[in-house]
Amino acid sequence: DAGVIQSPRHEVTEMGQEVTLRCKPISGHDYLFWYRQTMMRGLELLIYFNNNVPIDDSGMPEDRFSAKMPNASFSTLKIQPSEPRDSAVYFCASSFPSGGAETQYFGPGTRLLVL
Amino acid sequence: QQQVKQSPQSLIVQKGGISIINCAYENTAFDYFPWYQQFPGKGPALLIAIRPDVSEKKEGRFTISFNKSAKQFSLHIMDSQPGDSATYFCAASKGGYQKVTFGTGTKLQVIP
Repeated sequence: DAGVIQSPRHEVTEMGQEVTLRCKPISGHDYLFWYRQTMMRGLELLIYFNNNVPIDDSGMPEDRFSAKMPNASFSTLKIQPSEPRDSAVYFCASSFPSGGAETQYFGPGTRLLVL
Repeated sequence: QQQVKQSPQSLIVQKGGISIINCAYENTAFDYFPWYQQFPGKGPALLIAIRPDVSEKKEGRFTISFNKSAKQFSLHIMDSQPGDSATYFCAASKGGYQKVTFGTGTKLQVIP
């Protein structure tokens, strides 16, 4: 298996621009998570989906952030408009609960820099 | 209630030494405690995990010790190697509930 795939790996944009991050979970996994990692705040859960349905979006910082999962093999995280404080590494992860084990498999991340 | 506190923030250990990272939780409903390892430029990856029905779990050089009454758990890395240099996250979740609460991370550096 190729693992969780994220694109782009790096993104540099200017303040006010729209940013779209993409994720392809591991085939067969029915949970998908979006995290943000910064030095100051560590690893934060933004939103997660189960069977393409958003379950908990309480971590989404504000209305500028939105996430969709149109099908089992694709999800997007969009920031519009972007701000310098959104600069971070964004991770997508997926999981398939088995026997109660909740192992999450993380992608390589997208490093976002908003100038 | 959902917080997982992790210490130390950073740790330097000599090669061959023991690395110890500690975590504490508040929510007694947590029943699954994984540790994730993250190398620079990579996403976190599951290292080892424990459930509260056992007090210790060992996998190779990595051991989790769990103290249910104190609501604390720790990761011990025996015979630490430079290749172990990474950031380690403790985490906790409730059974059947996929949301995982992560600690703040410990940056471990193993020096030769």
